Amino acid sequence: GDSVTQMEGPVTLSEEAFLTINCTYTATGYPSLFWYVQYPGEGLQLLLKATKADDKGSNKGFEATYRKETTSFHLEKGSVQVSDSAVYFCALSPNTDKLIFGTGTRLQVFP
Amino acid sequence: DAGVIQSPRHEVTEMGQEVTLRCKPISGHNSLFWYRQTMMRGLELLIYFNNNVPIDDSGMPEDRFSAKMPNASFSTLKIQPSEPRDSAVYFCASRSGTGGYEQYFGPGTRLTVT
Repeated sequence: GDSVTQMEGPVTLSEEAFLTINCTYTATGYPSLFWYVQYPGEGLQLLLKATKADDKGSNKGFEATYRKETTSFHLEKGSVQVSDSAVYFCALSPNTDKLIFGTGTRLQVFP
Repeated sequence: DAGVIQSPRHEVTEMGQEVTLRCKPISGHNSLFWYRQTMMRGLELLIYFNNNVPIDDSGMPEDRFSAKMPNASFSTLKIQPSEPRDSAVYFCASRSGTGGYEQYFGPGTRLTVT
């Protein structure tokens, strides 16, 4: 069945460091791909999305490219801030009602 | 535009009591989802509705859980009787019937059953 695999956390970085959180997926066809972010005590917020191969989603300095050949959708940011500390979820929709989420990756950024 | 609204934000109750969680989806959205999040099991889809009709309740853990959507702007998730293992954060999310497949989440209800 369809699934999403994320790198284990926590990811610990110093402020202004480069961030990569890996996400790979298994799906038939051409799913839509998403990154969600969850700040402490809050719900999940849509961070960015991509709906077809080679699309790049971007928002708030974060970006991810839909790579069909490697079935990946890695999240990157050039310079993280303390305020980016949160849990990040990769998700896919096989273009049906449901979203399939990864297990989440906790990011901790220290000043 | 207001996002998904959930109430209460926190609920503490004793084992055996009935608990009702409430959700108001984003206006104009026609799909509504109930999730549960715990450290052990992560994020689980419990049930979802399209146009107020339950489509898939296979994630509802047992008969103690029930959900209703009497109209397009309101849904409830009820646990009766509640048990300590039901302690979790319960999220409601909604999705538009047009456009993409992204869902928009509410702030959640943190339920503690003692």
